Amino acid sequence: DVKVTQSSRYLVKRTGEKVFLECVQDMDHENMFWYRQDPGLGLRLIYFSYDVKMKEKGDIPEGYSVSREKKERFSLILESASTNQTSMYLCASSLAGTGGYGYTFGSGTRLTVV
Amino acid sequence: DAKTTQPTSMDCAEGRAANLPCNHSTISGNEYVYWYRQIHSQGPQYIIHGLKNNETNEMASLIITEDRKSSTLILPHATLRDTAVYYCIPIIGFSNTGKLIFGQGTTLQVKP
Repeated sequence: DVKVTQSSRYLVKRTGEKVFLECVQDMDHENMFWYRQDPGLGLRLIYFSYDVKMKEKGDIPEGYSVSREKKERFSLILESASTNQTSMYLCASSLAGTGGYGYTFGSGTRLTVV
Repeated sequence: DAKTTQPTSMDCAEGRAANLPCNHSTISGNEYVYWYRQIHSQGPQYIIHGLKNNETNEMASLIITEDRKSSTLILPHATLRDTAVYYCIPIIGFSNTGKLIFGQGTTLQVKP
């Protein structure tokens, strides 16, 4: 079964810490995405990548960075975690050239910053 | 990207058809209409997509109006497991650089 795996289901970090959220896919997908989901605000796109070492800003990139050194892995980095980054983070991947078809999402990481 | 309007919430009786509408009056000629759903505590899941013809698969049917300004997702025999948030998303088909931008969606509650 094809999968997008996020390294942690639940994470608690302190304000000011550097936080790494890891996402790995085993489908040889070119495209990878990071979203966050908050009550009342829905799913919002943070960053995405169409190829190794490439990255594009989404709608809410402030306070985040990403790294994609290998095709299968896309990391979201919170340089200095803040309480307003407490959220559910979802990673997704898709094949290039398929428009909106067949996105596969991970199960999410619920991050709490205290 | 085209803007969409969906009702905030809908109820449906178990076993009945659920009809979820979406307005996308600014859709461009090369944008497909994609439908995804998100069951509580899970990531979104692809359901179906179409350009201008009606489409059917094992999960649902998609009816697109002739002018393409609106569409309706039909779950023919809704079950309790279909309770979820449903998203209608226009996106350029077969784009190498497509990205899903989610609106607020419709929360469908299937009741026994």
